[in-house]
Amino acid sequence: EDKVVQSPLSLVVHEGDTVTLNCSYEVTNFRSLLWYKQEKKAPTFLFMLTSSGIEKKSGRLSSILDKKELFSILNITATQTGDSAVYLCAGDSGGGADGLTFGKGTHLIIQP
Amino acid sequence: GAGVSQSPSNKVTEKGKDVELRCDPISGHTALYWYRQSLGQGLEFLIYFQGNSAPDKSGLPSDRFSAERTGGSVSTLTIQRTQQEDSAVYLCASSPRGGRFETQYFGPGTRLLVL
Repeated sequence: EDKVVQSPLSLVVHEGDTVTLNCSYEVTNFRSLLWYKQEKKAPTFLFMLTSSGIEKKSGRLSSILDKKELFSILNITATQTGDSAVYLCAGDSGGGADGLTFGKGTHLIIQP
Repeated sequence: GAGVSQSPSNKVTEKGKDVELRCDPISGHTALYWYRQSLGQGLEFLIYFQGNSAPDKSGLPSDRFSAERTGGSVSTLTIQRTQQEDSAVYLCASSPRGGRFETQYFGPGTRLLVL
């Protein structure tokens, strides 16, 4: 059975801090790993990672995948209160019964 | 306990046919969401059910799409007269109360391919 585990489950930091969110996965026929930011009803897509060791960046957010160790991290630098959200990680097996497997998310709270 | 389940896991259909996708949310969760993810795209919100309230249908892309939720539990998403652009992964999620920062628990999705 495919499994995605995120840590920590919740995190409270102050504005300006840097945070690292972790995602480990066991996904059969792994194709890609996806990160989402969920703050309202619909999670917002952040990154899709398919290749190991290649960092993807978007503003203050960056993410990298390690396919040997089966994990990914999401970094947020100079955090702002608007970064407060649940961050979801999902492993994509490209189809079949397991489909997309989501982690439980990391609830990030940025205090002013 | 049991998570969100969806069926079928894969569906291949011909253009013009109707399809029905099913979602079983986590027992006791009052909020249920449908999304779709097209290849290389983010999650697109489709519809949201909260308890017995009228659903938020603001994300449905056309009148060919409809959804219902019977007895506040199982939900069915129906696509009539399917088109090739409907090909996507259709995801269902549920959450305990539908709160803004509440974690949504996702099902594995149904991969729909319209030929």
